[in-house]
Parts: sequence; C-alpha cells; structure tokens
Amino acid sequence: SQKIEQNSEALNIQEGKTATLTCNYTNYSPAYLQWYRQDPGRGPVFLLLIRENEKEKRKERLKVTFDTTLKQSLFHITASQPADSATYLCALGGNAGNMLTFGGGTRLMVKP
Amino acid sequence: EAEVAQSPRYKITEKSQAVAFWCDPISGHATLYWYRQILGQGPELLVQFQDESVVDDSQLPKDRFSAERLKGVDSTLKIQPAELGDSAMYLCASSLWTAGYEQYFGPGTRLTVT
Repeated sequence: SQKIEQNSEALNIQEGKTATLTCNYTNYSPAYLQWYRQDPGRGPVFLLLIRENEKEKRKERLKVTFDTTLKQSLFHITASQPADSATYLCALGGNAGNMLTFGGGTRLMVKP
Repeated sequence: EAEVAQSPRYKITEKSQAVAFWCDPISGHATLYWYRQILGQGPELLVQFQDESVVDDSQLPKDRFSAERLKGVDSTLKIQPAELGDSAMYLCASSLWTAGYEQYFGPGTRLTVT
C-alpha cells in the first residue's frame, strides 16, 4: 500500500543550526512533491514545490532535495530561528487532478 | 493578500445532529478542496472540485457527508448525522488550477462532536 513517512518524533535543535527533515515514501511515483508549514490551530502554508526532474530547490533559508531513486525528500532550514518552530508537512502529487497526499508531519522546535 | 475564508471557526455539536461548513476560495481559483485533519496527522483529502464539478470524492463518506459548489465559487460541506469520530479540523483549500500548483489553505473549522 502507499505510504508517506515523516519522523513523528519532534526534532529539537539549537538556534543557528541547520534543521533537516525527512520525507520517505513507498509505492508512489509522484510527479512533484510539496512542503508546507503548519502552526497550531491554523491551516498549512505552502513553502516549496519540487518536480520529479529536479534534484534541488532553494528559497531563502530553505532547501529541498528530491531523490526519486531513494524515494526520499529532504527539507533543510539553515540558520534556524525560534520562529521556525512549527510542524512541517510533505505532500506528494501526481499529474492528474493536483490531488495531494500528505505525510503525518514532523514538529520542529528551535530553542534559543 | 487574498485568503481562503472559512466559517465557522469552531463548532460543537451533539452526535446525530447536522453540521455545515462554508468555504470561500481565493478569487479566480478554479480548484477547491476539502480536507479533514485529525490531531497529530496530516490532512486527508475528502473531495476536490474543478469549477462546479467533483473531480475526486473517493474518500468522502457519502452515507453522511455531502459537498457542493453550485456556482463554481464558494462551497459547503455537510455532515448528517454527525458521529463522535467526526471530531477533527476541516480544512478548505484552493488552487489556481490542477496539477502542480500550490494550494492555499483556509484557517479551518474545528469540529467537536459530543
């Protein structure tokens, strides 16, 4: 069956360090992958999209990699700040319909 | 900046009662989605509309849930009758078009069924 795995345990890091979050999937052939940020009690907010033919995407302090052979995406936040503390969701999409399938999310806590 | 609007933000209802949620997407967005999110999990798609047509409702429990987008703009999601297991956050999202576009989420409706 299809499965998207994100580390369910919270990731705790020190301010200024690089946070790395993992998204692994099985039995999927996604055309693209998206990362969202979600704060408690609020809807997810789009961060980055990376397509199957792209290896890496950057936006300010954010970097996403996509390895279709390993079936894995890595999400990096460099020079992390306490304001980066949130839950980060990965979502896989196909070519038809833009239907996204979300992972369970990883909670990131950045300590000052 | 344009946002997706949802109401109500919170709803408490007794089981077996009917509830309805409303969503107004960003103007010009053809695609509208309803998701359900249980605490500690990722959002799960319930139904997707392209304009006024349903594209995918395979995960919608059709015996009790219904959704409509009559004029291809705002949308309503209804549950009748509500069950205890329906307690969750109901999120609406919209996107400009279909595949490969980012989705914009509303603030959600927190439903508690007692």
